[in-house]
Amino acid sequence: DGGITQSPKYLFRKEGQNVTLSCEQNLNHDAMYWYRQDPGQGLRLIYYSQIVNDFQKGDIAEGYSVSREKKESFPLTVTSAQKNPTAFYLCASSIGTGGSGYTFGSGTRLTVV
Amino acid sequence: GQQVMQIPQYQHVQEGEDFTTYCNSSTTLSNIQWYKQRPGGHPVFLIQLVKSGEVKKQKRLTFQFGEAKKNSSLHITATQTTDVGTYFCAGSPGNDYKLSFGAGTTVTVRA
Repeated sequence: DGGITQSPKYLFRKEGQNVTLSCEQNLNHDAMYWYRQDPGQGLRLIYYSQIVNDFQKGDIAEGYSVSREKKESFPLTVTSAQKNPTAFYLCASSIGTGGSGYTFGSGTRLTVV
Repeated sequence: GQQVMQIPQYQHVQEGEDFTTYCNSSTTLSNIQWYKQRPGGHPVFLIQLVKSGEVKKQKRLTFQFGEAKKNSSLHITATQTTDVGTYFCAGSPGNDYKLSFGAGTTVTVRA
């Protein structure tokens, strides 16, 4: 089955640590995205990538970093500079500009302890 | 920047009743998409609207794109318990890769 796999499902981080969230897709989609979801605030765009080796900042990129070395993979690093990292992180992909909709992964719930 | 707003934030519906959720953008949109997220799940794409005044139906769900392409609505008839979840609208001002999501309408159903 084609889809997007996010891992881990739950992640606990100590303050001051960097953590990397994995996102892999086998849909052959060109574009990939990272969104953050907080209660009552919907989805906010962190970073997106249209093609391999290229990515753009979204609305809330501060404290995050990404890479796109392969078409299938778009990992997100939450750095210690992110002041409030506890959230639900969703990875998505789309064909082209997303006219057929985004396909989302099942998400990673990050908690800072 | 572009903002997409949804109302109401919460909708409590008696099973069998109809309801509507609304989406408004501060700028003209090239398209609008709707997603459904079940409790504990992830958003799932429902539909895209592109044309001014466009209306599309999926069984009991009716989606509409406003004439000015700045607002949209989702109307559900004869609500069922399977309709429980959060409905998001998302739009982009141009043919780019960035969708801006509304905060969602969370629907609960009383049996």
